[in-house]
Amino acid sequence: GAGVSQSPSNKVTEKGKDVELRCDPISGHTALYWYRQSLGQGLEFLIYFQGNSAPDKSGLPSDRFSAERTGGSVSTLTIQRTQQEDSAVYLCASSFTRDRRGKGYTFGSGTRLTVV
Amino acid sequence: DQQVKQNSPSLSVQEGRISILNCDYTNSMFDYFLWYKKYPAEGPTFLISISSIKDKNEDGRFTVFLNKSAKHLSLHIVPSQPGDSAVYFCAASAQTGANNLFFGTGTRLTVIP
Repeated sequence: GAGVSQSPSNKVTEKGKDVELRCDPISGHTALYWYRQSLGQGLEFLIYFQGNSAPDKSGLPSDRFSAERTGGSVSTLTIQRTQQEDSAVYLCASSFTRDRRGKGYTFGSGTRLTVV
Repeated sequence: DQQVKQNSPSLSVQEGRISILNCDYTNSMFDYFLWYKKYPAEGPTFLISISSIKDKNEDGRFTVFLNKSAKHLSLHIVPSQPGDSAVYFCAASAQTGANNLFFGTGTRLTVIP
């Protein structure tokens, strides 16, 4: 597609349930990032995928969070046993290469997750 | 531990006037800084950047200033237009270390016609 696609755009879930958030990056982009923005906070890095390399998981806040990227394309962020503090907007971005400088990031419009 | 801070959550400016958005950082390893703009229900989009070897970068109505000694940068928009109304995020990265950008909490700019 023309841009980074994220689904669903909104998700309301009950505390304790598992959720899956999907990101479809721009075709050909080898790098994929997940960030989240909680209320009153900046964008917080979660995980980074680059090609077939092992992902950088250093930003995942707990072992309830996991992500995978199948075939170097679509990525799924899974949150198990959701808690109220997981409520946030989850943003996915992709770029052609590992881009520390961020100019090449294209962000999706995000998934707003609300845990009730 | 917020390494990039935007202390003003909101700013209102009259159309045609200058908008100045501020950003402070704490990590002296940061050597590249960016501003992103975000409209409602859209992802952030890149606006302008500056390397630490410079103190100013200009792109049309947008200028970013960097004061390394003060660990402070600012974004100037002149003249401000109603279409500039959005949330502006400051971000920083380091040459070595983390793969990611570090973002501030954002400043919501409203340009009043």
